[in-house]
Parts: sequence; structure tokens; C-alpha cells
Amino acid sequence: AQKVTQAQTEISVVEKEDVTLDCVYETRDTTYYLFWYKQPPSGELVFLIRRNSFDEQNEISGRYSWNFQKSTSSFNFTITASQVVDSAVYFCALRSGYSTLTFGKGTMLLVSP
Amino acid sequence: NAGVTQTPKFRVLKTGQSMTLLCAQDMNHEYMYWYRQDPGMGLRLIHYSVGEGTTAKGEVPDGYNVSRLKKQNFLLGLESAAPSQTSVYFCASSYQGEGTARDTQYFGPGTRLTVL
Repeated sequence: AQKVTQAQTEISVVEKEDVTLDCVYETRDTTYYLFWYKQPPSGELVFLIRRNSFDEQNEISGRYSWNFQKSTSSFNFTITASQVVDSAVYFCALRSGYSTLTFGKGTMLLVSP
Repeated sequence: NAGVTQTPKFRVLKTGQSMTLLCAQDMNHEYMYWYRQDPGMGLRLIHYSVGEGTTAKGEVPDGYNVSRLKKQNFLLGLESAAPSQTSVYFCASSYQGEGTARDTQYFGPGTRLTVL
């Protein structure tokens, strides 16, 4: 069985603050894939990043960065200098072995001006 | 390249009515999925398909049926709608070949369904 936990239900920050969204996963498989998706108020689901279990390199894309640590089964997402447009629900997801994708329950990020 | 499209965008049904949601993708993806999203529950998989003519149950399949007669289309049917099926429904597809895009699911815009 696989499981994804996003313990933060809602986070509120002021623009330009840095914010980290936590994601903890559980799986018994050695090969797995981790994902982050963004769901803005308009409702669509936007793919942000995919990381496989063999690659623990952190990734940076503009103001976004991801910290993958197998030792703590975490795949955290940091937004630097947050902006109002970052306001959205963010989902972490896991696919391992022959299982289908399992989503966490999401973290709602509110960035106020 | 439209990606994943869903029809309709909104629908209101009365209890007991039936309807079909259509999902289409133009990315030649092998796998397709139907999810429902309810407040506080994240996304839950209803059914999925690993290829034309094949379907499988997900986490919450009861009350739904699916068909994949063509690779690019995946239909979700509700035979007798119930208020508990009020939800937002998302379709997704994924590439299963080699490379870094493997297993990444791309989603449609969603269908908001209300069952009265």
C-alpha cells in the first residue's frame, strides 16, 4: 500500500514571504515516482514536477524548489518570494510499483498582498 | 494540441437520471483515468484504462461504469445518479513509454456535476 500525507491543510502568508509545503510518503517499493500538482482557483490541475526514486537531486525552477529526502520519506516544495498568483491548492502524489497514483489531500496556500 | 478535454463542463441531474461524461486526449497516451474530487478528500480514482478495450476499477468504482472503445476517448457513465455522486470529475491521461515523461498524468479541466 502507498500513502501520501500533507499535514498542512491551509497556509497563509504575505507576499514575498518564503513558504514550504510538506509532503511525506509511504511505500514499500524501491522504485517510485513523486509528483506535485497545482490547482488554482480556476480549478484545473497543473503538473509541476515529477521525481523518481533514483534521483535525490534537489530541483529548482525559478521561484520553485523541491527537496527530496529518501531518509525521511519527504518531498517538500518551497516557493521563494511568494506572489498572489501562487495562491492555490497544491497536491503531492505518489506512484509506486504497480499501483496507480495516490494523492495527498492537498494544502491550500493563500498569499495576500 | 488541445491536451485533455472534457465534455460537458457543468451538469445538473435529478436522482435516478443517467449521463455520460466524455474525455478525449490528443497526446496518443496509453493510459487514461477518471477521478472525483470532493472537499477535503483530495482526488480519488474511480476507474482507469491501460489501453483500448481495457478498463479497471480504482478506489471508488461503485455506481460508475467506463468504456474505452478508442485510444483517445474514455467515457464515464452514471446509470442511476445519486446525490452522493455530486462532485467535480477529472479525466487524466499519461504516457507509458520510456523517458522522463513516463507516468506523468495530465488532467482535463474538470466537470462539475450536481445531483439533486
